[in-house]
Formats: sequence, structure tokens, C-alpha cells
Amino acid sequence: DADVTQTPRNRITKTGKRIMLECSQTKGHDRMYWYRQDPGLGLRLIYYSFDVKDINKGEISDGYSVSRQAQAKFSLSLESAIPNQTALYFCATSDTRGHGYEQFFGPGTRLTVL
Amino acid sequence: KQEVTQIPAALSVPEGENLVLNCSFTDSAIYNLQWFRQDPGKGLTSLLLIQSSQREQTSGRLNASLDKSSGRSTLYIAASQPGDSATYLCAVSRIPLNSGGYQKVTFGTGTKLQVIP
Repeated sequence: DADVTQTPRNRITKTGKRIMLECSQTKGHDRMYWYRQDPGLGLRLIYYSFDVKDINKGEISDGYSVSRQAQAKFSLSLESAIPNQTALYFCATSDTRGHGYEQFFGPGTRLTVL
Repeated sequence: KQEVTQIPAALSVPEGENLVLNCSFTDSAIYNLQWFRQDPGKGLTSLLLIQSSQREQTSGRLNASLDKSSGRSTLYIAASQPGDSATYLCAVSRIPLNSGGYQKVTFGTGTKLQVIP
């Protein structure tokens, strides 16, 4: 079983709709991240969380919000989706205890906003 | 601002060839460097992690080296196979002072490798 899972894997939606992407992990890691990947731009950080009570903005947080419901769950919401949010979204985790901040990624969610 | 560059953007080699992928970064004050593999439409798989105090890491046919002073890392793949075809990404981490342990990760845009049977 995958250690970091994301749902849905693919989503097509329309401009103005609210969308939630979900991430779960069984690695027991304290830190979780949301990234988006666009061709030619690499991965960019949207939000990160050190624990349930700690949420921080990344480079490109405008238009997004997150919720850390439990140590194992981290959700990303697009309150009102727009076409330039079409991208591949990744959740990642890392552990500060003994793994040197190595990051582990989920399989990604391909989001298309029409 | 850290910038990570991977050249070439694409590489095609015949099966069995040894090859080197390059990653360069502008700020040598890094915490670690991580190499990933990404298959089309899929997530990133961690291949190797090199801490800033290390010079290299090995896993099977893969060897990654790190030269902080010159801002370079290489990923060496021995005896390449068609199954190695994928995009390879490097990512550099640093932990800014007074950041509370926030790990700032900067990714390169990757090298797309094709190994031809």
C-alpha cells in the first residue's frame, strides 16, 4: 500500500467551482506539504504544515486554502477554481526525526479547470 | 534566491550505456539535496538523499555526488535500462535561520531520460 495517497487522482471542473483535494499518509510524519507542478516551472510550494496546529503559506498560496484535520490528513481547497489553476498537484511528507528531512510524495492529482 | 538548473532538459541514450545527469544550484548553503524520479503522470519517487556533510550516496546502479563549493550534483546511472526512462528531478533544501525549522525546497525542472532498447 502507498504511504502517501491522494484523492481524487483526476478531476475536471468548471470555473468558479469549489474543489477539495485530499491527502492521507501512513508514514507517521509530522510535516506535510502541497505543491503544484506546471510544465517548465517545476514544483512550487502552496502550503505546508508542521503539525495539526501549524499551517503556513508557501510561495503561491493565493486562491488556495488548507486544512490539517489530523496528523495523517492534509486537504487543499480551491475556493473558486480558475483556469490557471489547472496543474498537477502533489502532496508530500517529511520527517524531522532521523530521515534528514527527506520528502516523500503522493501520486498526484491532475486538475483541469475549464 | 536559490535557483536549480538541470541540463540537458532531455537525453536519449542506447540501452547499456552509463550516463550522468547534472544538477547545479546557486546558493551553496544547503541542508540536503534529493534526487527524484518521475514517471509520466505520476508522483515523485525518492532515489537518493545526500546531506550537506556528505559527498555521495549509492543505491544499486545509482550514484549521486555532491560538491557544495561548486554548487553541483551529479546522478550517475550505470548500465542503463529501458525501465530507467523517466524524468529525473533534483531538489535542494535549506533551512533558513529563524524559520522555526521550515525546510525550503527548490526543485529543478528535470531531465527527461529516454533509454532506447
